[in-house]
Amino acid sequence: DGGITQSPKYLFRKEGQNVTLSCEQNLNHDAMYWYRQDPGQGLRLIYYSQIVNDFQKGDIAEGYSVSREKKESFPLTVTSAQKNPTAFYLCASTQGLVQPQHFGDGTRLSIL
Amino acid sequence: GQQLNQSPQSMFIQEGEDVSMNCTSSSIFNTWLWYKQDPGEGPVLLIALYKAGELTSNGRLTAQFGITRKDSFLNISASIPSDVGIYFCAGSNDYKLSFGAGTTVTVRA
Repeated sequence: DGGITQSPKYLFRKEGQNVTLSCEQNLNHDAMYWYRQDPGQGLRLIYYSQIVNDFQKGDIAEGYSVSREKKESFPLTVTSAQKNPTAFYLCASTQGLVQPQHFGDGTRLSIL
Repeated sequence: GQQLNQSPQSMFIQEGEDVSMNCTSSSIFNTWLWYKQDPGEGPVLLIALYKAGELTSNGRLTAQFGITRKDSFLNISASIPSDVGIYFCAGSNDYKLSFGAGTTVTVRA
C-alpha cells in the first residue's frame, strides 16, 4: 500500500546530541513537509521541499536541518541548537499545489 | 504562517448528537481542509474544499467553504464513540498549510 512512513515512533535525545528523524513516502509525491506539534496547538511548519535537492524554511526552522537527495525521502535533523525539542513531529507529502497533504503517523521526541 | 482561529477548543457530546465546529481567518484561502487526529497518530484528511460556497459531505460529515473565503465549518451528525479525537482545520493558498489549534471531541456513551 502507498503511504508515508516515519521512524522511529519514539526517540530520546541526550543534551547536546543531534538526532535524525526519518520520513519515506512511496506515493510519488513531489512535495514533502515537516511539522512540529505541541499539546493544545496546531501544527507548525519546520521545513518543506517542493522538489528534489531544494527545500525552504518554514515558520520555526531554527535548530533544525533537512535534506532532499531523493524524491521519496526527507529526513529531519534536530540539532543541539534546538533548545526545546520535545514534541510530536509529523511528516507530510502532496502531489501538487491544489492537492491536500497526507501525513505519516509521527515521531515523538523526548529529552533524557 | 498564520494560525487560524478554531472553535470551540473542546467539546463533550452525547452519543447521537450533532456537533459543529468552525474556523476563521483574517486572510482569505483558496483551499480549506479538515483533518481528524487520533492519539499518537498523524492527522487523516476528512474533507477538502476548493471553491467558495462549496458544501461537501463525507458520510456523517459535512463541511462548507465560507463565501468570504475566510471561514469554514464542519458538522458531524449522529455522533458515535469513534468520533472521539482532535479535529483540525487548515487553509492553503499554495504549497503551505496554516492550521487551527484543534477541537478536541469527547463522546459520552
